[in-house]
Amino acid sequence: KQEVTQIPAALSVPEGENLVLNCSFTDSAIYNLQWFRQDPGKGLTSLLLIQSSQREQTSGRLNASLDKSSGRSTLYIAASQPGDSATYLCAVRTGGGNKLTFGTGTQLKVEL
Amino acid sequence: SAVISQKPSRDICQRGTSLTIQCQVDSQVTMMFWYRQQPGQSLTLIATANQGSEATYESGFVIDKFPISRPNLTFSTLTVSNMSPEDSSIYLCSTGLVNAGANVLTFGAGSRLTVL
Repeated sequence: KQEVTQIPAALSVPEGENLVLNCSFTDSAIYNLQWFRQDPGKGLTSLLLIQSSQREQTSGRLNASLDKSSGRSTLYIAASQPGDSATYLCAVRTGGGNKLTFGTGTQLKVEL
Repeated sequence: SAVISQKPSRDICQRGTSLTIQCQVDSQVTMMFWYRQQPGQSLTLIATANQGSEATYESGFVIDKFPISRPNLTFSTLTVSNMSPEDSSIYLCSTGLVNAGANVLTFGAGSRLTVL
């Protein structure tokens, strides 16, 4: 059974700081890994998707890496802004179908 | 990507009642998914709803408690039956669209239910 863990559970940083969020999974036989942000009352927004054959994906200030063999992914946020404050979730797709297993999330607060 | 409209956005319900959540997609999709997010927890898949067939439920979820309808390729409903305070959660629907060979899931804004 796939289990996904995210560390830290919560993080508070000053504006402008670069930061890294961590995600680990127990079953390395994944199809892809996806990072989401969750804002209160707004559901989930997909940020980046990494295929199992890829090692990283970049979008603007965000960079996600994947080390499938060790069961780890990181989300790097450069020059953080207060608007980045949200809960960040990673999810892995394992096996057939579209079922995702989600981590418990990292609640990020970027302070002025 | 698809746009998903979900309603109600929130509701306060009495113990023992049932509530139906609606999910509307702006394009035709084969698969729709219903997730539950209990307070302080991550998302857990309840079931997969395919048009023209019965929903497939994950371990720990049963049709009598969470009946699902999927009348067409753009719409689905989830009913939370005979609610108890333990059912207080955010319920989200999602759908997957093929994008560059990968399935990218899009989520609705969620329905926050509080059961008294």
